[in-house]
Amino acid sequence: GAVVSQHPSRVICKSGTSVKIECRSLDFQATTMFWYRQFPKQSLMLMATSNEGSKATYEQGVEKDKFLINHASLTLSTLTVTSAHPEDSSFYICSAASGGAADTQYFGPGTRLTVL
Amino acid sequence: KNEVEQSPQNLTAQEGEFITINCSYSVGISALHWLQQHPGGGIVSLFMLSSGKKKHGRLIATINIQEKHSSLHITASHPRDSAVYICAVRGNTPLVFGKGTRLSVIA
Repeated sequence: GAVVSQHPSRVICKSGTSVKIECRSLDFQATTMFWYRQFPKQSLMLMATSNEGSKATYEQGVEKDKFLINHASLTLSTLTVTSAHPEDSSFYICSAASGGAADTQYFGPGTRLTVL
Repeated sequence: KNEVEQSPQNLTAQEGEFITINCSYSVGISALHWLQQHPGGGIVSLFMLSSGKKKHGRLIATINIQEKHSSLHITASHPRDSAVYICAVRGNTPLVFGKGTRLSVIA
């Protein structure tokens, strides 16, 4: 089956620093990648949808200048949390689809970000 | 926007019990996903279905498109089934997720 990896799995950083999270599709080409955020005991919330080679589409309320998304290749998308603050501490999950937004999504294992 | 409701929110079962988790949604969809999220956070896709019934091992998923309802069944439950089970629906927009059902299976 299709495999999606994320790196790092866990990161702790100081307030004000930037953190980059990578999402890779290991055995298929991901035309579309999705970034989700999940707070404790909450459901996943879509942050943005990215298509390879084009700008990401952000959901309402998600600051595009704070959460920078780059989908430079068909197997890699990165999410950079800039000037992280404690309220950005969360579980970030990516998923990838070989087709568009309506295609089957394969989920990564997630990255737990803790901002001190 | 599609509203996805899951029930129950929390479920505790004895090992071996038959378990049912329900999911209802408000707007017509093209497909419904059942996902499993373990305590570490990683998500595994269990099923994607648009009609009828699918079975994989001890897991069975059904969907009734007319009633906008799906169920996930676990037969002969085991402690390793303890996880959060999430229903997500897909229409013309990306997935909309339910809040999940937290299942604890006690030996």
